[in-house]
Amino acid sequence: EAEVAQSPRYKITEKSQAVAFWCDPISGHATLYWYRQILGQGPELLVQFQDESVVDDSQLPKDRFSAERLKGVDSTLKIQPAELGDSAMYLCASSKAAEQYFGPGTRLTVT
Amino acid sequence: GEDVEQSLFLSVREGDSSVINCTYTDSSSTYLYWYKQEPGAGLQLLTYIFSNMDMKQDQRLTVLLNKKDKHLSLRIADTQTGDSAIYFCAASSGSARQLTFGSGTQLTVLP
Repeated sequence: EAEVAQSPRYKITEKSQAVAFWCDPISGHATLYWYRQILGQGPELLVQFQDESVVDDSQLPKDRFSAERLKGVDSTLKIQPAELGDSAMYLCASSKAAEQYFGPGTRLTVT
Repeated sequence: GEDVEQSLFLSVREGDSSVINCTYTDSSSTYLYWYKQEPGAGLQLLTYIFSNMDMKQDQRLTVLLNKKDKHLSLRIADTQTGDSAIYFCAASSGSARQLTFGSGTQLTVLP
């Protein structure tokens, strides 16, 4: 069964450093999402792509976060500089129709 | 925007049925979802229902939708210890099908 791949699974970084997360969606899924999940809460959308185009990045803190999906397949989410409040699980998801599938996530700890 | 609410905790005995409830605010929500999250993992899509349906059954899972009251429930029959996890309700609306999640219900199955 095809799955959404994410790496790394865990990342520890010091504040003010740069960090990047990678996502490979299920083959053939044109829509890709990045969510942030703070402990004890549900995921919240950061950015949505349709192929290589951004559909919605209204919740992305653009002063420090950036996301790209250059060839419309895999995607990278970057934070620079990281802040203590960025500690969270970063989840990638992809969809083709109504079903949205999630990857295992990257657990980020900022010290 | 959309707001999704869930109760935080539910405990049941092994073999009993579990019912997890959810309310949402946007009457134009087109699809409603249930996801399961185990510790440290991503979200697993359990089932979803289109807004013009009242009920959907999938093996041990039954979803009931009361569109008038904007109330969704997930019933798990013959609950097992492996069902212990956090269950998230989510609603999608608009052509972009972005998901708004509740805060999750922690289900504990007691032996």
